[in-house]
Amino acid sequence: NAGVTQTPKFRVLKTGQSMTLLCAQDMNHEYMYWYRQDPGMGLRLIHYSVGEGTTAKGEVPDGYNVSRLKKQNFLLGLESAAPSQTSVYFCASRREGETQYFGPGTRLLVL
Amino acid sequence: GENVEQHPSTLSVQEGDSAVIKCTYSDSASNYFPWYKQELGKRPQLIIDIRSNVGEKKDQRIAVTLNKTAKHFSLHITETQPEDSAVYFCAASRAYGGSQGNLIFGKGTKLSVKP
Repeated sequence: NAGVTQTPKFRVLKTGQSMTLLCAQDMNHEYMYWYRQDPGMGLRLIHYSVGEGTTAKGEVPDGYNVSRLKKQNFLLGLESAAPSQTSVYFCASRREGETQYFGPGTRLLVL
Repeated sequence: GENVEQHPSTLSVQEGDSAVIKCTYSDSASNYFPWYKQELGKRPQLIIDIRSNVGEKKDQRIAVTLNKTAKHFSLHITETQPEDSAVYFCAASRAYGGSQGNLIFGKGTKLSVKP
């Protein structure tokens, strides 16, 4: 039981490049989340999903897209990376009525 | 929607002292209140949680209290140790109810325990 995993752990992008971050969970959780964490800003919700095939916007969705084609996977896409998207990205998942578990994070640097 | 305020933003204590972090929430329908600890470079990890049907919960040196009337809850760490140094996040949600179960986080408290 690996819990919540994220790929990659670290990535450097140039402005304008695109990339996809992968989150996977093996706990059969319905809900999945993408957060970004910047110094002094806490955890800010980007997008979330309440089940396979569904997605919804969070607090800071601009510049990101997501997809949940399979229940166990939640993908976060950056179409055209900007320096303002330099951050640490955390994925999380939970079951209805239970606590939320986080992945190990992805450090993204956009030059 | 829900709003969670967390204080203080930084807290420095001597080893062996107690530490208290306080949070207030705005949505009276919130009924689930977890606390997460995040060590430097690591993921947030749940350390304790409380549901609205109880007023206090303890786990060794950690305790959480909840005052539903005043809409605030607190984390208490006794006999602090250097390994307690981390950023602590409180959160609130409705445990059930689709997206209303999404956690709303406070902005975090950086706790430093000096040997």
